[in-house]
Amino acid sequence: EVQLVESGGGLVQPGRSLKLSCAASGFTYSNYVMAWVRQAPTKGLEWVASISTGGGNTYYRDSVKGRFTISRDNAKNTLYLQIDSLRSEDTATYYCAKDRDYGSSFDYWGQGVMVTVSS
Amino acid sequence: DIVMTQGALPNPVPSGESASITCQSSKSLLHSNGKTYLNWYLQRPGQSPQFLIYWMSTRASGVSDRFSGSGSGTDFTLKISRVEAEDVGVYYCQQDLEFPLTFGSGTKLEIK
Repeated sequence: EVQLVESGGGLVQPGRSLKLSCAASGFTYSNYVMAWVRQAPTKGLEWVASISTGGGNTYYRDSVKGRFTISRDNAKNTLYLQIDSLRSEDTATYYCAKDRDYGSSFDYWGQGVMVTVSS
Repeated sequence: DIVMTQGALPNPVPSGESASITCQSSKSLLHSNGKTYLNWYLQRPGQSPQFLIYWMSTRASGVSDRFSGSGSGTDFTLKISRVEAEDVGVYYCQQDLEFPLTFGSGTKLEIK
């Protein structure tokens, strides 16, 4: 059974940093592109970043470029999202998502982790 | 960026009836390989999104055949036949033709 379990969220002051983790199991993690998708309170889904199987290629939405860093450790079956210079508009539930295969559709999602940016 | 625009439903939908959710993209999602890069998800209340359909019309594993996707390069429809209580939630379309990946704003389905 595929499982994605996020951790590392919480209440953070603006300008501070946070690192989210996503522990994957139930599939051959190193074979799949992975991504982070977020959802602000009462809002829709917003893709944040994706990373290739080996980690050599990363993709970001413009609003997070230079502040967010997606990475992965295939030996630990874990996905990360380093978030720096946090802003109030980063407040959201962050989901880890597994790519289905070809393309970038997401067939499995974690339960999500909440990040609240507030002073 | 490709903008995804979703239509609203005339809620609530009577149980057992059909519901059709529309989605429009600002750019054709038809790739030169013949596949259309349009996906559908359902987010039930309080839950994570659930994968329903990819390549515009291919159901994901385990998804009921009551769900069907159709469309052209820019106009898409998710049809839910014989709606049930478990279908309640917000439906999102998403394009994966190019980065940045983009979602529609969501369409809420309520059942009567």
